[in-house]
This record gives sequence, C-alpha cells and structure tokens, in this order.
Amino acid sequence: KNEVEQSPQNLTAQEGEFITINCSYSVGISALHWLQQHPGGGIVSLFMLSSGKKKHGRLIATINIQEKHSSLHITASHPRDSAVYICAVIPGAQKLVFGQGTRLTINP
Amino acid sequence: DSGVTQTPKHLITATGQRVTLRCSPRSGDLSVYWYQQSLDQGLQFLIQYYNGEERAKGNILERFSAQQFPDLHSELNLSSLELGDSALYFCASSVGPRSSGSYNEQFFGPGTRLTVL
Repeated sequence: KNEVEQSPQNLTAQEGEFITINCSYSVGISALHWLQQHPGGGIVSLFMLSSGKKKHGRLIATINIQEKHSSLHITASHPRDSAVYICAVIPGAQKLVFGQGTRLTINP
Repeated sequence: DSGVTQTPKHLITATGQRVTLRCSPRSGDLSVYWYQQSLDQGLQFLIQYYNGEERAKGNILERFSAQQFPDLHSELNLSSLELGDSALYFCASSVGPRSSGSYNEQFFGPGTRLTVL
C-alpha cells in the first residue's frame, strides 16, 4: 500500500462544476503540498499547508491532520484547469512523498 | 515561472552512455532537490543538497550521482544508462531547511526529459 493515496485517479467534468480531489496518507507529516502538472510536464506548487484551510482564487485546500486527509477543491471549473493534480506529503524529513496523481479533464 | 531553471529541456541518448543534467535554484535558495518521474513509478525523490552538502537521499541508483557547487547550482550525473532510466527529471529548490525539523516550500523547475534509446 502506498503511503499517499489519491482519489479519484481520473475525473472528467463539465465546465462550471465543483471539483473535489482527495488525498489520504498513512504517515505522520509536517506539511502537505498540492501540485499541478500540465500536459507539457511542468510542475507548479498550488498550496503548502500543515493545518486548516487555504484559498487561492477558485482553488481551496483543506487538511485534517488527525484524520490524515486533505482535499483540493476547484470551484467554477474551467477547461484550463485540466491537468494532473498531485498530493505530496513531507514525513518529517525534507523529501516529498508523492501520490499517484489525479488526472482532471474539464470539458467545455 | 518558478525561478528554477533546468538544462537541457530534452536529451536523447543511447544505452550505456553518461549524461549530466543541470539545475539553477531560485535566487536565495540554498536547497536543491532532484526528482525522477517515470511512467511506471510516478514521482520519486532522488537526493537533496543544502548549501553544498548532501542532506537527504532517496531512491537514487548507484549509477546516479549529484553535487551542488559553491554558486549553488546542482548537477545530476546519470551513467551506464538503461532504457528504464527514460523519465522526466525535475529539480526543485527551497530556502531551507534552516534546521533539521523545519520545512520550506519547494519550487519546481520545468524538468529535463531524458530518452534512452
């Protein structure tokens, strides 16, 4: 079993829908990253959080340390949100441990 | 643009060869991390340097080595290349760690796509 599990693995939705991607982890962590990877391959850090909730534009990330769970929400989704979203945890040391990613496709 | 640069963007080479990937961190960042993203293994941490010293090691093969130079740029050397080494190699940088228990956000470079034929 992977230390970091994401669900769903693939998600297709219509433009405007509310999107939720989940991340569960089995190890103690000091922080968690949500990353976005576009088809060109580049990786962008969306959020780093260790507690509570963060919001940036239409993106919201939450984390529940006790339940070892984080969610990434996208409101009013748009085709340009189509990408792979990756959850990565920091289990105390400096290295990141990655989930397998969620491929999101938003159709117009 | 994260401020992290990687060269080259693409690299095509043959089995048995040796290549060097280069990374320049964001201005002011002292830590450099190397990651490998392959189709079957996903993203994996390889190695971290902080201010020229190796700080953490992950699933890095003995055929691979890295270093961080006084100007803080880093190089990842891959030798005796095999078909399975074909992957995207990412570099990331961060300010810290200032202490062993602290964590600073990492910023990723655009990656180097290595194809071994």
